[in-house]
Amino acid sequence: EIVLTQSPGTLSLSPGERVTLSCRASQSVSSIYLAWYQQKPGRAPRLLISGASSRATGIPDRFSGSGSGTDFTLTISRLEPDDFAVYYCHLYAGSPAYSFGQGTKLEIK
Amino acid sequence: QVTLKESGPALVRPTQTLTLTCTFSGFSLSTSGMRVHWIRQPPGKAPEWLARIDWDGDKFYRTSLKTRLSISKDTSKNQVVLTMTNMDPVDTATYFCARTDIAAYYFDYWGQGSLVTVSS
Repeated sequence: EIVLTQSPGTLSLSPGERVTLSCRASQSVSSIYLAWYQQKPGRAPRLLISGASSRATGIPDRFSGSGSGTDFTLTISRLEPDDFAVYYCHLYAGSPAYSFGQGTKLEIK
Repeated sequence: QVTLKESGPALVRPTQTLTLTCTFSGFSLSTSGMRVHWIRQPPGKAPEWLARIDWDGDKFYRTSLKTRLSISKDTSKNQVVLTMTNMDPVDTATYFCARTDIAAYYFDYWGQGSLVTVSS
């Protein structure tokens, strides 16, 4: 089973700052299978990025994804108040098997 | 407009069977490549994929829960049903249904979720 490890667990930042979230896979994976979601309290996860770097429909261009192999990142270029939430990376690992990282919480400093 | 909505009991007793229904609109599960999934999320934890049913009737389950899960579809009603047997307090979670589109590996639309508490 491929394990996704996200870091850090929690980040305290201010609006306007730039942030990079990390997602590391326990073995090399195809980037087409890697996605990122945003989740706010009491809501379902919202797709941000698919295929490691493709923004979903309606997602602002301040969100960007990159990476390959075992290391992937989600970058928010300039934090807005609405961006403070929990972010999950997600992998389709075949079989089928779908894995999520444990999440990174972005909180307002 | 694609929408999904979960329905089912909010409280289940230990050892009972949970039955959840996902009612969707804006797409057809008879369309080639379409898939509907069940995903759960215990309070304060990450989501966990449970099961999938495909347009052609193929079914897939989380390995660790395979013996307890069953997924089915009623294409005419645009519904997918999940049953989970022998419920335990550790199964307390919000249960979501979600969709993957043709040739996609990510969940592009999710239901709002249904909180299920397992307690005596």
